[in-house]
Amino acid sequence: KQEVTQIPAALSVPEGENLVLNCSFTDSAIYNLQWFRQDPGKGLTSLLLIQSSQREQTSGRLNASLDKSSGRSTLYIAASQPGDSATYLCGGNDMRFGAGTRLTVKP
Amino acid sequence: NAGVTQTPKFQVLKTGQSMTLQCAQDMNHNSMYWYRQDPGMGLRLIYYSASEGTTDKGEVPNGYNVSRLNKREFSLRLESAAPSQTSVYFCASSERGLTEAFFGQGTRLTVV
Repeated sequence: KQEVTQIPAALSVPEGENLVLNCSFTDSAIYNLQWFRQDPGKGLTSLLLIQSSQREQTSGRLNASLDKSSGRSTLYIAASQPGDSATYLCGGNDMRFGAGTRLTVKP
Repeated sequence: NAGVTQTPKFQVLKTGQSMTLQCAQDMNHNSMYWYRQDPGMGLRLIYYSASEGTTDKGEVPNGYNVSRLNKREFSLRLESAAPSQTSVYFCASSERGLTEAFFGQGTRLTVV
């Protein structure tokens, strides 16, 4: 059974800082990984989907990578803004998710 | 484009009452999922349906039943609600896990 771990559980940074969120998974047979954003009281919004053949995906200030061999994915957020404050979750194609990283970007 | 629609958005039940949470998607996805989200526990899969006519248990199926009514609709039923089922419930859909997954806005359920 796939297990997904996200570290850290919470992160607080000043505005403008670049940051990395981590996602680890146990099943290397994963063939895609998706990053989501969840605002308080809301559903999950898809940010990036990385296919295993792609290794990396970019959208604006967000860049996600996938390394199946090490069982890791990272989400890089450049020049963070207060509007980036949210919980970020990752999940694989089996639709199992980590508990998320709660990000706070302070003005 | 509505995506995934869940009803109701909020519900309060008394212990022992029953109710059905509704979910519909308009993206022609084969796979649909029900989750519960509790503080500090992340998203836990209750049931899923890989395709119309099939349903399978997830991590926490006890106390729940599901029905895949057609390709669009996947409902979650609580036959006899318990306070431990107080949670936020999310429905999601994808194309067999191969494509981007989409989530509904959630149903906040309180059992008193």
